[in-house]
Amino acid sequence: AQSVTQPDARVTVSEGASLQLRCKYSYSGTPYLFWYVQYPRQGLQLLLKYYSGDPVVQGVNGFEAEFSKSNSSFHLRKASVHWSDSAVYFCVLAFNAGAKLTFGGGTRLTVRP
Amino acid sequence: DTTVKQNPRYKLARVGKPVNLICSQTMNHDTMYWYQKKPNQAPKLLLFYYDKILNREADTFEKFQSSRPNNSFCSLYIGSAGLEYSAMYLCASSRLGGGNTLYFGEGSRLIVV
Repeated sequence: AQSVTQPDARVTVSEGASLQLRCKYSYSGTPYLFWYVQYPRQGLQLLLKYYSGDPVVQGVNGFEAEFSKSNSSFHLRKASVHWSDSAVYFCVLAFNAGAKLTFGGGTRLTVRP
Repeated sequence: DTTVKQNPRYKLARVGKPVNLICSQTMNHDTMYWYQKKPNQAPKLLLFYYDKILNREADTFEKFQSSRPNNSFCSLYIGSAGLEYSAMYLCASSRLGGGNTLYFGEGSRLIVV
């Protein structure tokens, strides 16, 4: 069975600092991978997704993620965070198109002004 | 318009009473989902409709009912609420062939007392 682990439940960084949110997955094949974000009092929104090809995918608001099959990882990065990036970030896996999603536990990001 | 709307946003219910949550989308998506999310936990899929076909997760099969009277609407029904049902309920929709991208509503927060 597939699973997703986000080892850091909470991350705090200062505004302008770089960011990496970690995601590890367990699946024997090549998964479909996503990052969703939930801003305060809003629904979850898709940041980016990976199916195949270039392992570095670009998302909205300057986010990117890098897929590594050898490390079974899909870490999210941003070069310089803004206070408005404070939110809960979910790493999500599907084993094929149309399959139900498996969510990680989420990482709550707090950006200090 | 990529909005998924949920009603009510907040619901206070007494133990043993029924609860009905409503979701609507205007994107003509063929699939609609209900997730349950508790604090510090990943969203848990409860059930989903693909067109008129209802799929319920095995471990929540008897706890939740749903109906989809037309393509745009989907309800989540709890016949007799228990304290353990207190959670945020997230509705989402997607289109087959849309690459598993889900569009989420803002959620309905249910508190059972």
